[in-house]
Amino acid sequence: EVQLVESGGGFVQPGGSLRLSCGAAGFTFSSYSMNWVRQAPGKGLEWISYIGTGGSTRYYADSVKGRFSISRDDAENSLYLQMNSLTADDTAVYYCARPRDLGIASPFDHWGQGTLVTVSS
Amino acid sequence: DIQMTQSPSTLSASVGDSVTITCRASESISTSLAWYRQKPGKAPKLLIYDATALESGVPSRFRGSGSGTDFTLTISSLQPDDFATYYCQQYYTRTFGPGTKVEIK
Repeated sequence: EVQLVESGGGFVQPGGSLRLSCGAAGFTFSSYSMNWVRQAPGKGLEWISYIGTGGSTRYYADSVKGRFSISRDDAENSLYLQMNSLTADDTAVYYCARPRDLGIASPFDHWGQGTLVTVSS
Repeated sequence: DIQMTQSPSTLSASVGDSVTITCRASESISTSLAWYRQKPGKAPKLLIYDATALESGVPSRFRGSGSGTDFTLTISSLQPDDFATYYCQQYYTRTFGPGTKVEIK
């Protein structure tokens, strides 16, 4: 059974940093690209970052480009999101999501339970 | 960037009704479109991919159609479990639509 478990969320002051983790199990993690998706309270889904297999290809939404950094550790079956220069607009539940298929363009068929990040003074 | 729109934003219906949600892309995405259902406090669930393909385990009352820029999700015979928010997503660049909330009339 595929499992994705996010951790690392919490309260952080504006301008601060936080690192999210997503532990993966039940599939060959190194064979899949991975994504982060967030959802602000009461709002819709926003894709924010993609990392390809091997970690050499990374994409970001404009809203986080230059502030967030995605990475992966295939030996640890883990995905990370380093978030810097946080603002109130970054307050959201953050999900890691696995694509359905191997390949660059695929919908997400497995999601974690999400971890809440609250940016507030 | 490819922008996604959905209509309506909210839809009121009763158990047993058939409902249709529309999704439009700002440029052609061929059939690279997925539909998700999300219940409050839960992660989204993939329903339809490649515009028309039913994800394994998803009931056949869900049907997707369309290609290019215009897509629809039809839910026939709404069940209590279907009152939720539905999102389309183009997976060229992974953008989601703003969502359609299906609420009980």
